[in-house]
Amino acid sequence: QKEVEQDPGPLSVPEGAIVSLNCTYSNSAFQYFMWYRQYSRKGPELLMYTYSSGNKEDGRFTAQVDKSSKYISLFIRDSQPSDSATYLCAMNAGTASKLTFGTGTRLQVTL
Amino acid sequence: GAVVSQHPSWVICKSGTSVKIECRSLDFQATTMFWYRQFPKQSLMLMATSNEGSKATYEQGVEKDKFLINHASLTLSTLTVTSAHPEDSSFYICSAIPYGQEGQPQHFGDGTRLSIL
Repeated sequence: QKEVEQDPGPLSVPEGAIVSLNCTYSNSAFQYFMWYRQYSRKGPELLMYTYSSGNKEDGRFTAQVDKSSKYISLFIRDSQPSDSATYLCAMNAGTASKLTFGTGTRLQVTL
Repeated sequence: GAVVSQHPSWVICKSGTSVKIECRSLDFQATTMFWYRQFPKQSLMLMATSNEGSKATYEQGVEKDKFLINHASLTLSTLTVTSAHPEDSSFYICSAIPYGQEGQPQHFGDGTRLSIL
């Protein structure tokens, strides 16, 4: 079993839809949770960063962490074609800073 | 802020040659940088952790004599793929954490696409 599980998709939604992306994990030591967006042939771009459980909102993006269920989510409101990319969840225990990534979910937002 | 630059962005070379990839933190200092490898439609795989002024820490299965890492300053780490072969063709990405912010998010470069003929 992988430490971090993420549905690879692809996920196709119409423009304006609410997108829900999720990851589950097994290591209870993880404290810091990140979502990165990666366009084709580009490096990952940090979207959201949260510590421990809770919600965080930034514009159209909301990140949720439920440590009791070992489950994290990223919601994208009013999705745009420019949101079409691969979304990677990542997490670490903090002190070592070594990130563990999910496999990434490919998102396609259609007109 | 927190911009990481990689160079070159794309390199094609013959089998047997060595290729050097640079990773620079442009607006911050980084005592720790990371090197990843990514195959098409797969996630990032950590190759090694690069620490300024000391030897890199390699992940299990990564040949340290094949992938030479040098972190000579607080803003520059280099990865040299020695005697590259077609199976080394991949997307190589570096990341860095601003000095004093260990445990905070890593900031990634835009990657280097390496093609070995």
